[in-house]
Amino acid sequence: GESVGLHLPTLSVQEGDNSIINCAYSNSASDYFIWYKQESGKGPQFIIDIRSNMDKRQGKRVTVLLNKTVKHLSLQIAATQPGDSAVYFCAENAGGTSYGKLTFGQGTILTVHP
Amino acid sequence: GAVVSQHPSWVICKSGTSVKIECRSLDFQATTMFWYRQFPKQSLMLMATSNEGSKATYEQGVEKDKFLINHASLTLSTLTVTSAHPEDSSFYICSATRGPNGYTFGSGTRLTVV
Repeated sequence: GESVGLHLPTLSVQEGDNSIINCAYSNSASDYFIWYKQESGKGPQFIIDIRSNMDKRQGKRVTVLLNKTVKHLSLQIAATQPGDSAVYFCAENAGGTSYGKLTFGQGTILTVHP
Repeated sequence: GAVVSQHPSWVICKSGTSVKIECRSLDFQATTMFWYRQFPKQSLMLMATSNEGSKATYEQGVEKDKFLINHASLTLSTLTVTSAHPEDSSFYICSATRGPNGYTFGSGTRLTVV
């Protein structure tokens, strides 16, 4: 079946650097995308979302970019802090008969070194 | 707002027994609830989708007789792992939605079957 995948399973950065986490998706029918942060032993925490009619959305220290041509999603975290260390997942909602269901990518472990 | 409470946060049970996990939306009525399973260092895998008052829809490969889902009200869904075995040990996470593309996740339940 169709799935969402990630290019990099781990990412290590220095505190204060910018982080970029990538995600490739294969379902061209997906129309809604979400980035989640998951800390050890906890449920996913919403970071930012974007709909397919947009190519960029900004939040506080985070930016999501969507390139529908190549089916690519990225999360940029500015001035990364140790508290940003976690696993980051992208998720997609294909709509239609899959309305409401989210398909998660494999995840990227972000480690921020002080 | 939009808080989902999941209980218990962790449970240890003997092989062959059943375990019930509760998922409650505290401050909103959830039209749909989802149940996910997550193995260590892996992504979230959707197990089933439940709508209040109707039977749950299970994903391919998920045994509906083993993972019983009851969605008796707009604020409560339960997942019962029946005749649990060590291979059922995992992190179970619920999610609730109020409508189009608005998801709130519970904090997860760590199940260990011994």
